[in-house]
Amino acid sequence: DTGVSQDPRHKITKRGQNVTFRCDPISEHNRLYWYRQTLGQGPEFLTYFQNEAQLEKSRLLSDRFSAERPKGSFSTLEIQRTEQGDSAMYLCASSFRAWHSDTGELFFGEGSRLTVL
Amino acid sequence: KQEVTQIPAALSVPEGENLVLNCSFTDSAIYNLQWFRQDPGKGLTSLLLIQSSQREQTSGRLNASLDKSSGRSTLYIAASQPGDSATYLCAVPSSGTYKYIFGTGTRLKVLA
Repeated sequence: DTGVSQDPRHKITKRGQNVTFRCDPISEHNRLYWYRQTLGQGPEFLTYFQNEAQLEKSRLLSDRFSAERPKGSFSTLEIQRTEQGDSAMYLCASSFRAWHSDTGELFFGEGSRLTVL
Repeated sequence: KQEVTQIPAALSVPEGENLVLNCSFTDSAIYNLQWFRQDPGKGLTSLLLIQSSQREQTSGRLNASLDKSSGRSTLYIAASQPGDSATYLCAVPSSGTYKYIFGTGTRLKVLA
C-alpha cells in the first residue's frame, strides 16, 4: 500500500497524559498537512510542512501541540497534557508540489481517533 | 479570509436519481478546488481536483464544475447508488497560502 499511513488508528488516554501520532506520507510527496476533525464538522487546518520546514500553524495549535517532520519524510504530532476537548480525529494529508506549479492533489490517511477520558 | 459553505447539509434520495451538491467559497483567487468523499469513521478519499484554469472535471458518474468568478462549484452524481452514501466535502486553498479550507460537507443517503 503506497497511500498515506497513520498510526495509531485509535488512542484512548486519560486527561493530562501526552500522546503522539505518526504520519507516513506518500513517498515522493513534499507537502504534509495535519487536520483535526470533530463529529459533523469539516476538517480544521492545524499545520503544514514543505519538506522539513513547518510553513504555517493554525491559531488552533496551542502551546500543548507540536509537530515535526525531521527529515522531510514522516511527521509526528504530539499533544501534551491532553484535555477532553482534544478528543477528535487527527487527519494527515500529503501532496506533491512541483517547482513550476502551485497545485497538488491532497491525499489523506485513515486518521487517528483520539479519545480523552 | 476564505470561507466555504456546502448546501444542502443532508440529502436523502432514492436509488437512480441524479443529484447536485453545492459548494460556495468567498475568495475567488484560488488555484484549485478539490472534492472528497468521507465514509463514517474513515479518512477522506479524493474524488476530483479541478485546476483554476478548468471549468469542469469528470470521473465516471461524477462531474464537478467550477465557476471562480461566482465562487461556486457543483458536484453532479449521475444515477446514484446506495454505495454513494457518504459525506461529500469540498476544499479550497486559503487566500495566499497553501492550506486548504473545508466546508462542513453534505451527508448523502441513497435509498435502495
